[in-house]
This record gives sequence, C-alpha cells and structure tokens, in this order.
Amino acid sequence: TQLLEQSPQFLSIQEGENLTVYCNSSSVFSSLQWYRQEPGEGPVLLVTVVTGGEVKKLKRLTFQFGDARKDSSLHITAAQPGDTGLYLCAGAGGGADGLTFGKGTHLIIQP
Amino acid sequence: ETGVTQTPRHLVMGMTNKKSLKCEQHLGHNAMYWYKQSAKKPLELMFVYNFKEQTENNSVPSRFSPECPNSSHLFLHLHTLQPEDSALYLCASSLTGSTNEKLFFGSGTQLSVL
Repeated sequence: TQLLEQSPQFLSIQEGENLTVYCNSSSVFSSLQWYRQEPGEGPVLLVTVVTGGEVKKLKRLTFQFGDARKDSSLHITAAQPGDTGLYLCAGAGGGADGLTFGKGTHLIIQP
Repeated sequence: ETGVTQTPRHLVMGMTNKKSLKCEQHLGHNAMYWYKQSAKKPLELMFVYNFKEQTENNSVPSRFSPECPNSSHLFLHLHTLQPEDSALYLCASSLTGSTNEKLFFGSGTQLSVL
C-alpha cells in the first residue's frame, strides 16, 4: 500500500505568519500534485511538480519536490485568511494505479 | 466553477432506500472518476471510466453501482447502504485518464445514511 503522510494534520496561525506543511512517503513518485479544498467544495489543483528538486512558486506559495521524489513541502509566506482550507498532496506512480492522496493538512488563518 | 457539476449537494437516505448521484462535465474530458472522502481518511478512488469504459473498480461493495452513459455524464447508484457509507462523494474528470493529469473535481454530494 502506497502511503503519503501529511503533517501537521491541523494548523491554526495568525494572519501574516509564515508556515510550512509537509508530504512524505517511502515511495518514489513520478509527479506530485497539491490541491486546496475549501469547505463545501471539491479540491482544486494548485500545482504539479515533476522533477526531483523542483521548486515552483505561486504568488506567496512555494512548492518543493524532494530530490529523491519521495517528499514535498508547501511554504506559505505572510498567510492570509483566504489561504484557509484543506491542503492535499497526491502522488502519481509509486507502484499504485491512479493518484495516491494524503489525508491532508487543515489550515486555518485567523485574522 | 471547475466545470464539473454534481447533484444533489446533500442527500439523506435510509438503509433501505435507492438513490442516485449525478455528475456532469462539459470540459471535453474523456475520463471520469468517483472518489469517497471520509473524515480522517485519504481520498479513496472508487471507480474510473475512460471513454465510457470502466477501467478501475477499487474493490467497492456492490451496493455502489456506477453508470457512464457517455463521456459527459456519470452516475453512482446507491442501494441498501450502511451508516459507514456516510461521506462526501466527489466526482472528477480529466482529459485522457493519464495518472499525471490534473483532476477537475465537482463540489461533491454530502451523503448521510441513517
């Protein structure tokens, strides 16, 4: 069974702070996707990382794929209440059919 | 708006009821998926359809029955469900069904089985 462990499970911080959430596995993935899911909605893709060591930026969000393609991190700078949501990582390949999802990190940014 | 529409948004049913979930996409995608999202569990892939053909059934109990009449529509027929089947059921689509592709999700149907 392929597993993606996301940490922390829950994070509540003040507006303006920085944060990092993690997505780790013992499996190697051909690519990794990050989604954000807001209450009452489905997940929406933020980014896909493909190459080991790759770094992608999306405004205040920075995504990194580990060199060995087993892990990834998401760093948010100067968090805003609009960043609140469930952040899901999903790995492709790794020996499983389809995407393997983590349980997600519930992020709350308080004004 | 992701282009994937699910109805109903909320559904409460008894264990003896029969109901259906509907999903519709007009993105021109050829692959459609059903996922189950439960608290404290990762998203679970239930079924995959590619060009209207079912390509994956992830050991889902027979009380869940999918139907894909064309590339734009996907149904999930429910009968004699159990309380543990209560969850958010998400439909998704992608262009060709390749694993690396972006998934477009609907807003989901929140199902409660009493």
